[in-house]
Amino acid sequence: DTGVSQDPRHKITKRGQNVTFRCDPISEHNRLYWYRQTLGQGPEFLTYFQNEAQLEKSRLLSDRFSAERPKGSFSTLEIQRTEQGDSAMYLCASSLEGRVGTQETQYFGPGTRLLVL
Amino acid sequence: QKEVEQDPGPLSVPEGAIVSLNCTYSNSAFQYFMWYRQYSRKGPELLMYTYSSGNKEDGRFTAQVDKSSKYISLFIRDSQPSDSATYLCAMSADWGSNTGKLIFGQGTTLQVKP
Repeated sequence: DTGVSQDPRHKITKRGQNVTFRCDPISEHNRLYWYRQTLGQGPEFLTYFQNEAQLEKSRLLSDRFSAERPKGSFSTLEIQRTEQGDSAMYLCASSLEGRVGTQETQYFGPGTRLLVL
Repeated sequence: QKEVEQDPGPLSVPEGAIVSLNCTYSNSAFQYFMWYRQYSRKGPELLMYTYSSGNKEDGRFTAQVDKSSKYISLFIRDSQPSDSATYLCAMSADWGSNTGKLIFGQGTTLQVKP
C-alpha cells in the first residue's frame, strides 16, 4: 500500500494557461475527494466521486474547473484559464465507503502546490 | 461566520508540556469529529476520530467532544518537538447521506521547543 499519490507535486504556470493534476487513490478505495487549501487556512471541499460518478461539487468549483474519474480509478482535476487566485495546494483524499450512518477515514495525498504568476 | 472556528495560533510550548487545542462549530448536524496533523508542505494525516460526544484516548493524545456546547478538544500529553505541526479539526454530518465531505477548521500551528 503506497498511499494516495499526486502528480505533479509542484506546478508554476502563467495566468491564462490550463493545468491538469492527477490523483491516484489507494487501490481498493471507491471514494475520492478533492480539496483546496490556501496559505494559513484549512482544506476546503471541492468535489467528490463515488467510483466513476461525480456526486457533489462545491460552489467553489467554478466553470473553469473540471474533474474526472474514468473507470473509478485515478482522477484528474483540470483548471482552465488559470487566475492568480487559483494559487493554492490541491489535495486529494480517498476512502472506502462505510456503512450508512458511519464516517469513513479519508487518507490524504501530499498535494499539488500550484502557483499562478 | 465559518461553520468551524479554530484559533490559528501560533502556539509555542516547552517540551513535556500538556497542549490543549480546541474548535467550536455551529452546525448541529455534525456527528463525526476528527483531528488531522499536517507537517509543512505535506498532506494532512488522521490522528484521532470520534463519533458523537465523549472522550477517546490514543497514547499521548486525547480527543474530547461536547456536542451540547459544540466544542471539541485535542490534548497532547508530554509534548515532543516532533509534535510541532499544524493541527486541523475536521467534521462531517454524513448521516444517511452519500457524501463524507469534511469541513475543516483553519488549523492551529504548534511549536514544541526542546
